[in-house]
This record gives sequence, structure tokens and C-alpha cells, in this order.
Amino acid sequence: DAKTTQPPSMDCAEGRAANLPCNHSTISGNEYVYWYRQIHSQGPQYIIHGLKNNETNEMASLIITEDRKSSTLILPHATLRDTAVYYCFNAGNNRKLIWGLGTSLAVNP
Amino acid sequence: DVKVTQSSRYLVKRTGEKVFLECVQDMDHENMFWYRQDPGLGLRLIYFSYDVKMKEKGDIPEGYSVSREKKERFSLILESASTNQTSMYLCASSSGLAGGGSQYFGPGTRLLVL
Repeated sequence: DAKTTQPPSMDCAEGRAANLPCNHSTISGNEYVYWYRQIHSQGPQYIIHGLKNNETNEMASLIITEDRKSSTLILPHATLRDTAVYYCFNAGNNRKLIWGLGTSLAVNP
Repeated sequence: DVKVTQSSRYLVKRTGEKVFLECVQDMDHENMFWYRQDPGLGLRLIYFSYDVKMKEKGDIPEGYSVSREKKERFSLILESASTNQTSMYLCASSSGLAGGGSQYFGPGTRLLVL
């Protein structure tokens, strides 16, 4: 099963960019990179996904390295509401996502 | 917007009781999932279903069963609740095959088994 590595915690100042790294050392060619977040006491929320190219949506940007062994989620202007646990993983067509413990991001005023 | 609803936010049951957790999604998604989440362990997959009347075991199916009689509804059943099943239960749904699909989660049910 695919597993990823993330730092357990990070801090960011409000209004600054938050860059959350993820290592996908076992990613295979047909697997996508996904990012979710979970705000305290809520269900996880899908943020973004990508295969090879960098992606951007209204929530965040996703940078995937050329070898696809790592990715970075960028929150361009972090707010206090972005304080959450962020999960990354790679997943293929088996529909199963392997959830790690994620990165706990604290956005400080 | 995709909406996934769960029948209860909080539930208290006694050991040995049969417990039903219901999940309904309104986006015609093929895939539905049940997870439990415990501190320090993250989300663990209990069962998932990729079609009506179809189900597959996840990583921790013991003590649980599921039912999917209609596409929009996926039920998790604890046949005889035990204290070690006290947890947060999360339901999710997704469409399509590519990358497993983007999963949309319900708000969760906090179950306490006494």
C-alpha cells in the first residue's frame, strides 16, 4: 500500500504563504497525489489533486516534482481558518486511500 | 455542492446493543466508505462499497457489517457494540475510478459505548 511522509506539525503567520511538504517515495505511474484537510471536530475536506502537472484551485496550489516523489501544498495567504490537519497521499484505481497522521498546521495571528 | 449526511452527530449505546449508523449522499456517487478515527491512529477504513449490494472489507472490518441496498445509502452495523468501538465514525462518497476519486465526507458520528 502506498504510504507518504509528512512533518507532524508546522506553524505559519497569518497572511503568509503556508508550504506543506509531502514525500511519496512509493508512488507509481498511475497514482494521483491528493491533499485533504480536517478542521477540528469536522470530517475531512478534499482540497486538490494532481497527476504530473502543477494544479491550482480556489483553495490552494499543488506542486509536484518531476520525479513525482514529493509534492507541496501551498496556501498562498493563510488565515486562522486554515488551522487544521493536512493529509497527503497517492492513490490509484483501487479506490482506497491510505491515511497517515498528517501535518497539524497552526496559523498564528 | 456534494452533501453527505450522517444520521447522528452523537450517540451513546450500551455494550451488546446492535447499532446502526446511516449515511446518505445526494450526488449519485458510485463509491461509499466507512472509516473510524481514533487519536494517534488517524483514519482507518472499515468497509467500502463501489456499487449497490457490493461491499469490500477495509483494514479493520472485524465487529462490523455494512449494507447498501440503494445507491445513495450506506449503513454501518455494529452487531454487538463493545467499548473498544467507541470512536468517531466518518462516512464518505466518491465518483469515478481515476485516482480513487475525490472523497466527500459527512460530519461524523461520535459513538460512545458504555
